[in-house]
Amino acid sequence: DAGVIQSPRHEVTEMGQEVTLRCKPISGHDYLFWYRQTMMRGLELLIYFNNNVPIDDSGMPEDRFSAKMPNASFSTLKIQPSEPRDSAVYFCASSFQGLDSGNTIYFGEGSWLTVV
Amino acid sequence: GQNIDQPTEMTATEGAIVQINCTYQTSGFNGLFWYQQHAGEAPTFLSYNVLDGLEEKGRFSSFLSRSKGYSYLLLKELQMKDSASYLCAVKDSNYQLIWGAGTKLIIKP
Repeated sequence: DAGVIQSPRHEVTEMGQEVTLRCKPISGHDYLFWYRQTMMRGLELLIYFNNNVPIDDSGMPEDRFSAKMPNASFSTLKIQPSEPRDSAVYFCASSFQGLDSGNTIYFGEGSWLTVV
Repeated sequence: GQNIDQPTEMTATEGAIVQINCTYQTSGFNGLFWYQQHAGEAPTFLSYNVLDGLEEKGRFSSFLSRSKGYSYLLLKELQMKDSASYLCAVKDSNYQLIWGAGTKLIIKP
């Protein structure tokens, strides 16, 4: 079975540019999570969706960050404009029936973002 | 506030046993996960505990004491490939995952 698929795997961009990260969750999963991981702050939940609807975006750091999920098989995380402090690994993850069912979440391979 | 504590780094010898501890203080408890993350890779699921006691899965075991807010991950017969970070995560009363900073485990020959 295909896991969570993310693209791009690596991106280097200049400060001020727009960055779009993409995610395809595992087929049949109804929850999708966007995480950011840095050495300083560890894993941080940015936003999560249930059945394509954003449920909690309290972790989105600023208005420069936005996320969409137009259908069950695709989500994007956009940073506009990007700043050097946005440099991190961005993970997309998905699960079936969320965490209240005891189900685990499955992570994609991550998108390594460097803003110079 | 919500807090999960894990040692930052541990070192162990190939073939030995190591125990990685995790203590938590969260608003409610609905289960605890352990994930393994190799450098440059995604976290992968290792174990899930929701009731007190020991869950064994091959060389890996995970223990939970809800009254003490404590869990540990036990790795036996260590192999070089076990060198990784181990993340403890707790589901709080809202079923949100609270993540620890992770424990980097270094295995030496």
